[in-house]
Amino acid sequence: GAGVSQSPSNKVTEKGKDVELRCDPISGHTALYWYRQSLGQGLEFLIYFQGNSAPDKSGLPSDRFSAERTGGSVSTLTIQRTQQEDSAVYLCASSLGGGFHEQYFGPGTRLTVT
Amino acid sequence: GENVEQHPSTLSVQEGDSAVIKCTYSDSASNYFPWYKQELGKRPQLIIDIRSNVGEKKDQRIAVTLNKTAKHFSLHITETQPEDSAVYFCAVRAGNEKLTFGTGTRLTIIP
Repeated sequence: GAGVSQSPSNKVTEKGKDVELRCDPISGHTALYWYRQSLGQGLEFLIYFQGNSAPDKSGLPSDRFSAERTGGSVSTLTIQRTQQEDSAVYLCASSLGGGFHEQYFGPGTRLTVT
Repeated sequence: GENVEQHPSTLSVQEGDSAVIKCTYSDSASNYFPWYKQELGKRPQLIIDIRSNVGEKKDQRIAVTLNKTAKHFSLHITETQPEDSAVYFCAVRAGNEKLTFGTGTRLTIIP
């Protein structure tokens, strides 16, 4: 079946512009995560959605970052007034839920802020 | 919140030798411990996981051991091959809390 998909795969934007990154999780997956990965670095947690619970936003680095998940499915990560340090690969992942369920990652969106 | 430490950050081993990566965690309620492998330019993928009611799990050349008392778990790769070269991430979860990742280990297999 279809895996986690993300769009766009690559995004180049000018400093100060807003960007929206999209994630389509696997159908039926109630948990959805956003991570940021800079070149050669680890997985920086951004935000976690689990079912109808309030999202865990503890990883968002600043108020320029926000995310929504509509209808328990598609999620959008928005970065306002982009800065050069926002350049990274943004990974989305989904799972059937918490507990012992495997987390599946999308291919990522490579964001470059010039 | 959960704190996960992973060591070493880089590891080089001769092809055919074994590699061991260790993670420690802080939350005693944690009950799920997966390991992910990320090859260069690709997305992380699950390679093995263990639950808190099990002390060891094997899958061919890879194994994971868990010491709940000491709050640490380790990934063991035996008879390493060039295709094992990648970044490995441990992770920890307690119930429905978010999955918390370690900082990663870059493993290089020397032919």
